[in-house]
Amino acid sequence: KQEVTQIPAALSVPEGENLVLNCSFTDSAIYNLQWFRQDPGKGLTSLLLIQSSQREQTSGRLNASLDKSSGRSTLYIAASQPGDSATYLCAVLSFGNEKLTFGTGTRLTIIP
Amino acid sequence: GAVVSQHPSRVICKSGTSVKIECRSLDFQATTMFWYRQFPKQSLMLMATSNEGSKATYEQGVEKDKFLINHASLTLSTLTVTSAHPEDSSFYICSAKTGSGNTIYFGEGSWLTVV
Repeated sequence: KQEVTQIPAALSVPEGENLVLNCSFTDSAIYNLQWFRQDPGKGLTSLLLIQSSQREQTSGRLNASLDKSSGRSTLYIAASQPGDSATYLCAVLSFGNEKLTFGTGTRLTIIP
Repeated sequence: GAVVSQHPSRVICKSGTSVKIECRSLDFQATTMFWYRQFPKQSLMLMATSNEGSKATYEQGVEKDKFLINHASLTLSTLTVTSAHPEDSSFYICSAKTGSGNTIYFGEGSWLTVV
């Protein structure tokens, strides 16, 4: 059964700093891995989608990497801003049962 | 922990028919449920937000008459795809939250194939 872990569960950093969020998964047989942002009480906002054949994707200040063999992904946020404060979730779509498995999320707080 | 169950996990239906997907919160009362759709090789997209006892709020571009959402109780929301077409074939996922917190729990998704 696929398990997705995100560490740390919560992170606070001063505005302007670069930061890295981590995601690990136990079964490397995946279609893709996605990073989402979730604001309190709201649904998900998709940030980046990495196909299993890709190693990274970039969008603006965000860069996500994927190392399928080691079961790891990172989300790098450059020059953090208070508006980046949210919960960040990664999710993997697995082969076989084709289920979307989410990590538990990292709650990020950017301190002005 | 909280569990959200979707049923069926896979369904195949014929063009022109309607199909219903259920989303249940098993051990908590879900005042708000979200429905998402994901096409192959694309990100999950929010379709609508439903609050118990009121009409769903649909995202721009989502046809409310085609994707009927009912959230009649605090533990059940349903998505009915009416007059299904092959282009409706997709992965549909729901999520749910309680009124007292900001944690959102997700179902495992439902694959719909329209033939």
